Amino acid sequence: EAGVAQSPRYKIIEKRQSVAFWCNPISGHATLYWYQQILGQGPKLLIQFQNNGVVDDSQLPKDRFSAERLKGVDSTLKIQPAKLEDSAVYLCASNTPTGNGYTFGSGTRLTVV
Amino acid sequence: EDQVTQSPEALRLQEGESSSLNCSYTVSGLRGLFWYRQDPGKGPEFLFTLYSAGEEKEKERLKATLTKKESFLHITAPKPEDSATYLCAVQANGNKLVFGAGTILRVKS
Repeated sequence: EAGVAQSPRYKIIEKRQSVAFWCNPISGHATLYWYQQILGQGPKLLIQFQNNGVVDDSQLPKDRFSAERLKGVDSTLKIQPAKLEDSAVYLCASNTPTGNGYTFGSGTRLTVV
Repeated sequence: EDQVTQSPEALRLQEGESSSLNCSYTVSGLRGLFWYRQDPGKGPEFLFTLYSAGEEKEKERLKATLTKKESFLHITAPKPEDSATYLCAVQANGNKLVFGAGTILRVKS
């Protein structure tokens, strides 16, 4: 079974620039999550999708962050404009609606300078 | 609000020196408690799910236990390859996981 694919692995941008991350979940996994992990902290949920609908985006900074999952498969997370405090690893995970124990991708490490 | 606190923040062990990591939690309606391992530069890797107080699960040198307020990850006779960050998370309403900050484990040979 192929894992959760994420790209790019690393990204360095200047503050106020925009950036986008891509995620392809495990085939058949209807639920997709984006987490933000700041150095030294545990992952924090940004947004949860069920198929192509948003289930929970209560912790997504909507003034600068957006996410979509148009066909219920892969997803993109965008930041515009980026701030220094957005430097973190952005993790994508997926599971089945009745499943437990997400499968995580390797993440995208974002550095904002 | 669901909260997870892990201790210690960091732990250094000699190879073969057994110890335990702690995860205390407050959550309304626990559906599951999860343990993950995270290596540098990688995403978290699933280890265990515990569902009810008194439950225990084992995998190689790792054993996870659960009470109504906390979970322990016991590491028996650790090896250097067990060095990683161990993350605890709780699942309440919905499917989202709330994570603790993790314990960084270093095992020296």
